[in-house]
Amino acid sequence: DVKVTQSSRYLVKRTGEKVFLECVQDMDHENMFWYRQDPGLGLRLIYFSYDVKMKEKGDIPEGYSVSREKKERFSLILESASTNQTSMYLCASSLSGQRGYGYTFGSGTRLTVV
Amino acid sequence: GESVGLHLPTLSVQEGDNSIINCAYSNSASDYFIWYKQESGKGPQFIIDIRSNMDKRQGQRVTVLLNKTVKHLSLQIAATQPGDSAVYFCAEKGTGRRALTFGSGTRLQVQP
Repeated sequence: DVKVTQSSRYLVKRTGEKVFLECVQDMDHENMFWYRQDPGLGLRLIYFSYDVKMKEKGDIPEGYSVSREKKERFSLILESASTNQTSMYLCASSLSGQRGYGYTFGSGTRLTVV
Repeated sequence: GESVGLHLPTLSVQEGDNSIINCAYSNSASDYFIWYKQESGKGPQFIIDIRSNMDKRQGQRVTVLLNKTVKHLSLQIAATQPGDSAVYFCAEKGTGRRALTFGSGTRLQVQP
């Protein structure tokens, strides 16, 4: 069964810590995405990557960075965690050339920054 | 700017009734639309999609309608079941964009 796996389901970090959220997909998808999900705001795009070592900013990149050293792995980095980054983080992947359909999502990482 | 929004945050229906979830979008250049279902504790799952050159598409118990004139998208679920209880998101993709833009979601509650 194809899947997107996020390394942690729940995470609690302290303000100012550097936080790494990991995502791995086994579908050989070119595109990978990081969204955050907050009540009433839906899913907002943080960053995405369409190829190894390639990345593009989404709608809310401030305070985040990403790394894609291998095709199957896409990491989201919170350089200095703040309480307003407490949220559900969702990773997704998709094939290229199919106009963005067929996103496969991970189960999410619920991050709490205290 | 671009936005995708929903009219109702919560929809409550009786089991067996039909459900209609609505979505408005503002980007006239959107060429592709998707509905996702998110159950508690899970990531969103693909339900059905439609391209901008179509106005209706049917799946198993679900139908998506697209009205480009008023920039409106709807998801119809026939004979709603308790397992349909979830949050539903519409999403759109603008021409030339690689990523989807999601709406804020509607919670569907199915009453037995």
